[in-house]
Amino acid sequence: KNQVEQSPQSLIILEGKNCTLQCNYTVSPFSNLRWYKQDTGRGPVSLTIMTFSENTKSNGRYTATLDADTKQSSLHITASQLSDSASYICVVSANNAGNMLTFGGGTRLMVKP
Amino acid sequence: DAGVIQSPRHEVTEMGQEVTLRCKPISGHNSLFWYRQTMMRGLELLIYFNNNVPIDDSGMPEDRFSAKMPNASFSTLKIQPSEPRDSAVYFCASSLGLPTSPLHFGNGTRLTVT
Repeated sequence: KNQVEQSPQSLIILEGKNCTLQCNYTVSPFSNLRWYKQDTGRGPVSLTIMTFSENTKSNGRYTATLDADTKQSSLHITASQLSDSASYICVVSANNAGNMLTFGGGTRLMVKP
Repeated sequence: DAGVIQSPRHEVTEMGQEVTLRCKPISGHNSLFWYRQTMMRGLELLIYFNNNVPIDDSGMPEDRFSAKMPNASFSTLKIQPSEPRDSAVYFCASSLGLPTSPLHFGNGTRLTVT
C-alpha cells in the first residue's frame, strides 16, 4: 500500500530559527515528490516539485531534498517568519497524470515571536 | 490570474438536502481535480477530469456524489442526498496536466451537514 509518513506531526519554533520537516514514503512507481504549504482556511500552495533525478530544490527560504534510494525527503525552512505558520504536506506522485497522488498527514508548524 | 475560484466558501445544510459545489479552474488548465479534506483522513481525491472528461472517479464515495464538467471553465460537485458524514472541506484544483505541473487549489468549500 502506498504511504507517505511525515514527522513531526507538529512543531513550535521561535521566529528567526531554522527547522527541518521529514517525509518518508513507500510509493511505487515513483514519478515525483511535492511539498505544499497550507495556511489555515486556505487551499494548499505548491512549494517544490522534485523528480527522481533531483536531490535538492529551493524556493526562497524553503529547500527540499530528496533521497530516492532511501525514499526520504526533507523540507528545510531558513530564518523562519511568523507567516511560515502553516501545515506542510508532502505528496508523492505515482504517475504523470497527477491523479495518483499519495498525501502525507502534514506537519503543523507554529512560529512564535 | 485570479486562481481557482470555488463557491460557496461555506455551506450549511440539513441532512437529506441537495448540495452543489462550484469550481472555476485557471484558464488554460486542462486537468481538474476534486478533493475532500477531513482531520481524520486528510486530503482524498474524489474525481479527476482531463479535457472535461472524467478519467478517474474511483474516489467518489457512493452514488450520492456526482461531478460534471460541462466546459473547460466550470465544474460542479453535487451531493444528493447529503448526510452528516459528508461534512468536510471540499477543494477543487487545476493543473496544466504535465508530469511536474503543480496543482493549483482553490480555497475550498467548508460543508456542514446537520
